[in-house]
Order: sequence, then structure tokens, then C-alpha cells
Amino acid sequence: EIVMTQSPATLAVSPGERATLSCRASQSVSGKLAWYQQKPGQAPRLLIYGASTRATGIPARFSGSGSGTEFTLTISSLQSEDFAVYYCQQYNNWPPWTFGQGTKVEIK
Amino acid sequence: QVQLVESGGGVVQPGRSLRLSCAASGFTFSNYGLHWVRQAPGKGLEWVAVTTYDGRNKYYADSVKGRFTISRDDSKNTLFLQMNSLRAEDTAVYYCVKWDSGSNFDYWGQGTLVTVSS
Repeated sequence: EIVMTQSPATLAVSPGERATLSCRASQSVSGKLAWYQQKPGQAPRLLIYGASTRATGIPARFSGSGSGTEFTLTISSLQSEDFAVYYCQQYNNWPPWTFGQGTKVEIK
Repeated sequence: QVQLVESGGGVVQPGRSLRLSCAASGFTFSNYGLHWVRQAPGKGLEWVAVTTYDGRNKYYADSVKGRFTISRDDSKNTLFLQMNSLRAEDTAVYYCVKWDSGSNFDYWGQGTLVTVSS
């Protein structure tokens, strides 16, 4: 089973600033990496798949990068609606499909 | 638009059974695989089970193998999760998720809460 590790657990950022979230896989997942956003009381929403492709309707301020075992989600200029928990997930080696433990982006 | 609506959650005693349903609309149901993903209160996401588009292949997390069964009824555009021998650690919100071969877990339902407690 591939273990996904996200850092940091919590990230405090001021509105308008850049946020950089990291995700590491215990072995290579090639580019089969997705990012999800979850707000309190809501279901997760797909942001990024294939490590860097934005899902339908996702604003351009969200970008993903990386390959192999190291990945990054960058939010270029945080808006109030971006404060949420973000999960990475690998879908290269399955089953199981595995998620990171999440990074909470909160207001500084 | 794609909609996934889960139902069937509730409070159940340990050792009992529950069946979740997920009614789908807005896409050709029989063309897609579907997953169940759960989230314990205040915790992260855990993949539970998947059925391929044709129902021929099904996979389960080790934590539920032998106790949970995933199935689908393409005539009703509905996904099911039969949960037997429930344990306290199965307490979670259960999400139904559409599986796209390109974009992966592209649509999620709103979830249904299962609470296992005596």
C-alpha cells in the first residue's frame, strides 16, 4: 500500500498571500496524483488530477506540480473561500486508493 | 449535471447490518465505475470499496473485506453498500463517488452518516 504524507498539517495564511502545500508518496505514483478541497460540512471537491490538470470549473489560482513521489499544490492568492482542508490522493497503484491525512489552510 | 445522492445512514448497534444507497443522475451510469469513501468524525478520507462499470470487478479495503459488499443496479442507476457485522470504528460519513478513467474521483455525493453505537 502506498502511504501519502502531507505537510504541513496546518498552514496559516493571510488573504491574498500564496499557499504552498506538499504531498509525498512512499513510492512513485508517476503523475497519478489528485488534490481535493473540503470545506466544513461539505463533500470533497476535485481540484487537480494528473498532478497538474485543473478539474472543470477550478480557478486558475490553483495549480499542481510534481511527479514521482513529490507533489505540490499552490494557491497563488488566497481568497476567503479557499480556507479549507486539502487532501492529496494517489491512483497509480490500486487497490487501495490512498489519501494523505490532509492540510488545513486557515486564516492568519 | 451529475448528481449523487446517498441515503440509508443512521444509528445501528454493533454487530448489526445496514444498507446504503446512492441514486445517480446526470451521466450514463452503466459507463462508470463507482466508489464508496468514508470519513470518520474529525478524521481524513478512507477509500472503502469500488465496483467497475460492468460490475465484474469489485475491490475492498482490508478494514471492511468480508463484511461489506458493493453492488449496483444499472436499471435504477443506483449503487449500494451492504454493511454487515458493523463495528464502532465503521462510524463515518459515507460518500458515493463517480470514477472517471481520466480525472479519477470526479464527483462526490453529499454523504450519509452511519453511527455504530449501543
